[in-house]
Amino acid sequence: DIVMTQSPDSLAVSLGERATINCKSSQSLFYSSTNEDYLAWYQQKPGHPPKLLIYWASTRASGVPDRFSGSGSGTDFSLTISSLQAEDVAVYFCQQYFITPLLTFGGGTKVEIK
Amino acid sequence: EVQLLQSGPEVKKPGAAVKISCKVSGFTFADYHIHWIRQTPGKGLEWMGLVDPEDGETLYSGKFQGRVTLSGDRSTDTAFMELSRLRTEDTAVYYCATGEVASVFDMWGQGTMVTVSS
Repeated sequence: DIVMTQSPDSLAVSLGERATINCKSSQSLFYSSTNEDYLAWYQQKPGHPPKLLIYWASTRASGVPDRFSGSGSGTDFSLTISSLQAEDVAVYFCQQYFITPLLTFGGGTKVEIK
Repeated sequence: EVQLLQSGPEVKKPGAAVKISCKVSGFTFADYHIHWIRQTPGKGLEWMGLVDPEDGETLYSGKFQGRVTLSGDRSTDTAFMELSRLRTEDTAVYYCATGEVASVFDMWGQGTMVTVSS
């Protein structure tokens, strides 16, 4: 299985400041025949299922604010919240779908307000 | 409105089985694979398997192979997940999920809490 490792486990950021979450995969998620990285990001708030934010490493899902952006390729990826809002307090997960259907998730990063 | 509506919380004893349902509406049931994912405090999010409602084909994670059975009923637009030989470590929230992009989940059920305790 592909192991997804997120860092940090948690971070506290001031309102309006940038938050960056990292995700490293144990093997490359880039598929040359499609020129895509098979990496998604989710946001989860307490008592709710995860919500899709980003897929193909950098494509925002419908309705996701543009302060959320995804970057990276191969084995190293990042999710950036450019200007943290109060409603962004949540746990964020990365997920690889390179090896389907053996999908795996990162352990999660908790984002809080400083 | 797209909706995946799961059945309610369950409490089971070790060794028992649990069956959870996921009724979909707002899209054509046969058009999307239904995946099952569970979430525990210790192991995080774990993909369990998928069912193709079109033909009933299933794929399972090796971790759950032999204990999990996924199915779909096209007459009621409902997917099912049955987990047998329950252990205390199966205590988790179980989700059904699907999406426009294969294996990317933009539609989720609300989750079903399963508690396994003697």
